[in-house]
Amino acid sequence: NAGVTQTPKFQVLKTGQSMTLQCAQDMNHEYMSWYRQDPGMGLRLIHYSVGAGITDQGEVPNGYNVSRSTTEDFPLRLLSAAPSQTSVYFCASRGAGDYEQYFGPGTRLTVT
Amino acid sequence: AQSVTQPDIHITVSEGASLELRCNYSYGATPYLFWYVQSPGQGLQLLLKYFSGDTLVQGIKGFEAEFKRSQSSFNLRKPSVHWSDAAEYFCAVARSGNTGKLIFGQGTTLQVKP
Repeated sequence: NAGVTQTPKFQVLKTGQSMTLQCAQDMNHEYMSWYRQDPGMGLRLIHYSVGAGITDQGEVPNGYNVSRSTTEDFPLRLLSAAPSQTSVYFCASRGAGDYEQYFGPGTRLTVT
Repeated sequence: AQSVTQPDIHITVSEGASLELRCNYSYGATPYLFWYVQSPGQGLQLLLKYFSGDTLVQGIKGFEAEFKRSQSSFNLRKPSVHWSDAAEYFCAVARSGNTGKLIFGQGTTLQVKP
């Protein structure tokens, strides 16, 4: 099992550009989430999904879109990047009935 | 609203000394509690978790944590710190019946002096 994978590992964007952060898991987990990590703030939930076709907003959803067309994949889209979105992004998944989340290695995004 | 507080932003201990990292949570019912560790430039690794049962939980790398309901705390301890323990530590809580959302504390950075 590869677990939770994320691509790319690093990305630099200019303000206004768009991009998609990829996340995939091979554990057949129903639940998937996106978090962002900023210094002194821990990790904050952006969006989450409880299954294919079902997504919902977390604590800091503005500026981000998600969709879940398959169980395995949960991409995060930045439609118009802003410097405030400079952060490290983590994808996580967990199985039904298990509250332990498995995290990907992260994507470090810089918006100039 | 649920919240997690890690009162110590930065802690420095000498190698071989004991360690305690504090975590307090705010939540009405019994929470699911976690401690994660993050080495520089790395992802998050689960150290230990508490769901129910024995309130003293053993984890990996010699860490343990104790759930104290009366104090709403879940402090992380290690009897003898190694230089490789230098990292950032996060406490997190999830609600029962929740869709998997974790609420994280702000993190505590541990520095180990030789």
